[in-house]
Amino acid sequence: DTAVSQTPKYLVTQMGNDKSIKCEQNLGHDTMYWYKQDSKKFLKIMFSYNNKELIINETVPNRFSPKSPDKAHLNLHINSLELGDSAVYFCASSSPGTGNTGELFFGEGSRLTVL
Amino acid sequence: GNSVTQMEGPVTLSEEAFLTINCTYTATGYPSLFWYVQYPGEGLQLLLKATKADDKGSNKGFEATYRKETTSFHLEKGSVQVSDSAVYFCALRLNGDKLVFGAGTILRVKS
Repeated sequence: DTAVSQTPKYLVTQMGNDKSIKCEQNLGHDTMYWYKQDSKKFLKIMFSYNNKELIINETVPNRFSPKSPDKAHLNLHINSLELGDSAVYFCASSSPGTGNTGELFFGEGSRLTVL
Repeated sequence: GNSVTQMEGPVTLSEEAFLTINCTYTATGYPSLFWYVQYPGEGLQLLLKATKADDKGSNKGFEATYRKETTSFHLEKGSVQVSDSAVYFCALRLNGDKLVFGAGTILRVKS
């Protein structure tokens, strides 16, 4: 039973298109995240939601819009895709009340390739 | 701001060699420290953690000790296996905030 699942796992699309990546967690966690991993493996946080409320919004182009319909889901929609958006996008979740000590649980990643 | 610096890779070792991956941090407070591992084609998973100074985290033969005086959390393993080949990330978390990752270190173990 997968704890954090993302779909699709692979996405190949043309520049200028709009695409979405979906994430679901069945761990009962309140907080979910989107991270971007570039080709050099560097991980950068993009967004974080706590109980459907946006709490972290890093310097990310407006073309990226997260949506959390409920606390178990966090989707990422990307408009007008650019070549530089090619990366692996990871969804993660963490449990409430753990302060600094709580670990994050990651999905397997969604590899986006923009041609 | 809060940041993590880890040694650049790739690190290439023969099976049964000793592994050290250096990690130092900068934080405005007392963070929790983590090592995550990413096996090829997979997401990240927690390897070990330490939540206060002098704590030692350990798992699967890996160890790291939280050193406040040197702001370090170096990862060690006495005898690596081919199956340890992966990307290793050092990370910190402060004030219940986001996890801040280092750049990752690729480890390749040859048989």
